Amino acid sequence: EPEVTQTPSHQVTQMGQEVILRCVPISNHLYFYWYRQILGQKVEFLVSFYNNEISEKSEIFDDQFSVERPDGSNFTLKIRSTKLEDSAMYFCASSTEQGINQPQHFGDGTRLSIL
Amino acid sequence: SQQGEEDPQALSIQEGENATMNCSYKTSINNLQWYRQNSGRGLVHLILIRSNEREKHSGRLRVTLDTSKKSSSLLITASRAADTASYFCATDAGETSGSRLTFGEGTQLTVNP
Repeated sequence: EPEVTQTPSHQVTQMGQEVILRCVPISNHLYFYWYRQILGQKVEFLVSFYNNEISEKSEIFDDQFSVERPDGSNFTLKIRSTKLEDSAMYFCASSTEQGINQPQHFGDGTRLSIL
Repeated sequence: SQQGEEDPQALSIQEGENATMNCSYKTSINNLQWYRQNSGRGLVHLILIRSNEREKHSGRLRVTLDTSKKSSSLLITASRAADTASYFCATDAGETSGSRLTFGEGTQLTVNP
């Protein structure tokens, strides 16, 4: 069964540095998402992306964050000037374009640790 | 309080028993989805129930949806130790494709062998 793949599985970064989290969505999917889960908390929506632009973003997704689809397969989340509170699991997800009521399929996540 | 609240927060049962988890939400929805998360892993999609559906089955899973009460339940029958995980409900309230999911706090299910 097709999967969403995320790399790296664990990223350790010094506070203030920039990180790029990478995702390869399922190949025939056209909607892409980033969510995060701070340890012990619920999964929170960050941003959705369709047709090479952001379609929706949450209040968490401020100027520190950006997303990009640099080629036909990858979808990236860039976090600039990282802060301690950015430490979390970051999940990428994708879904098809075939109407509403489509499930989102998630990757295994990248654990981001800011020191 | 939050969209998508599950109860109980934690549930411990013996193998072979049934496990029931509940979810409540606050806004109108297009669909409600249940996900499973093993410790330290990603979210695995289990089942999606549309707002015009009342019950749905998938293998040992049974999901109900009551839009008048804004609640859903997930029943896992004949539980196994491998069912031990966190279970989350997530609501899709968007008007178009590609809308955000709003997750609940989750229920930690432990199935004892």
